[in-house]
Amino acid sequence: TQLLEQSPQFLSIQEGENLTVYCNSSSVFSSLQWYRQEPGEGPVLLVTVVTGGEVKKLKRLTFQFGDARKDSSLHITAAQPGDTGLYLCAGAENSGGSNYKLTFGKGTLLTVNP
Amino acid sequence: SQTIHQWPATLVQPVGSPLSLECTVEGTSNPNLYWYRQAAGRGLQLLFYSVGIGQISSEVPQNLSASRPQDRQFILSSKKLLLSDSGFYLCAWSLKPGLNEKLFFGSGTQLSVL
Repeated sequence: TQLLEQSPQFLSIQEGENLTVYCNSSSVFSSLQWYRQEPGEGPVLLVTVVTGGEVKKLKRLTFQFGDARKDSSLHITAAQPGDTGLYLCAGAENSGGSNYKLTFGKGTLLTVNP
Repeated sequence: SQTIHQWPATLVQPVGSPLSLECTVEGTSNPNLYWYRQAAGRGLQLLFYSVGIGQISSEVPQNLSASRPQDRQFILSSKKLLLSDSGFYLCAWSLKPGLNEKLFFGSGTQLSVL
């Protein structure tokens, strides 16, 4: 099973600041997904990146997949209190045939203070 | 549209008691179903997954078991709970495996074993 390391583990910033969180592995993933989870709720998918070097934007969120498909980053511009939550990355690896298995990182807990 | 229901939301059980958590999916047929556990609001650990009725794969050996008696019903059980079984349990579904397989999570069950 491939491991995903997320950093930082905890991040507390003021409203309006920019931030970047990282998801790294020594192994190659077929694709990578980012989820956001609020307390007491299940994670919600934000984006999937598939191609090495791919960049996707979702309003103030920018996701990038590394050229070698081993790492990914999430950049948030002008953070708002509503961005507070646990950000999880999950890498898809082929588990045989057309089957893929998701491996989750431990997440970055982001707090945006008003 | 597809929905996933998971209950109960909160459960407090004594050590040695049995457990039954239920999850149902609506609006789709023959989904993949998953049980995850999340400790202390951190990363997700895959416990079981199912690709069809009666087909269960276990990822982590433990005193938990899973069953899929119907296409859209997934049950997590234990005959005797341990203190270490405490955690946040999440049910999820996805379409058939693929490169961009996306997980849709339920709202979770917070289990406290005392």
